[in-house]
Amino acid sequence: EDQVTQSPEALRLQEGESSSLNCSYTVSGLRGLFWYRQDPGKGPEFLFTLYSAGEEKEKERLKATLTKKESFLHITAPKPEDSATYLCAVLDSWGKLQFGAGTQVVVTP
Amino acid sequence: NAGVTQTPKFRVLKTGQSMTLLCAQDMNHEYMYWYRQDPGMGLRLIHYSVGEGTTAKGEVPDGYNVSRLKKQNFLLGLESAAPSQTSVYFCASSQGLIQPQHFGDGTRLSIL
Repeated sequence: EDQVTQSPEALRLQEGESSSLNCSYTVSGLRGLFWYRQDPGKGPEFLFTLYSAGEEKEKERLKATLTKKESFLHITAPKPEDSATYLCAVLDSWGKLQFGAGTQVVVTP
Repeated sequence: NAGVTQTPKFRVLKTGQSMTLLCAQDMNHEYMYWYRQDPGMGLRLIHYSVGEGTTAKGEVPDGYNVSRLKKQNFLLGLESAAPSQTSVYFCASSQGLIQPQHFGDGTRLSIL
């Protein structure tokens, strides 16, 4: 059965304390992996798409990487405004997009 | 640039009542989707559309119906609301299957 698992469920960081979020997946034929940011009371906001193992994307303090089994979202020197829930979603060869449950990140000053 | 707009933002219904959630997008996207989001669970696909006049079932379609009469609008209907349908509903759109989906800000629906 296809699965998308995000870890940890929650992460509390001090401002400036870098960390990584994990998204592991078991799907048949990855066509794309997407990272989103979701703020309370808002819809998911698109961050990155990764299409093949070895690919990396960066945006400000965020960097996403992809292997054949998992993706990492690295947060470098986070600021309080990086506090949010980060979602990953995996598109399989059948065109089905499956979301993980998310990692809630809190960055304290 | 509005993107994806959902109405209403909040609604409380009684069991057995019906209602329609409206989604509108101004990006000329072909694909549109309805999801529900429940605590501790990922977004789950209810129904989707690959173009005007088309609809298809997603992962959790029971109790819901949809229509896509115009390219820019996607309607989600609940014919007889049940407490299990209490959730936050998100609409999304994308240009194609492998392009990223863009989401609205959700409708928070409570069914008593």
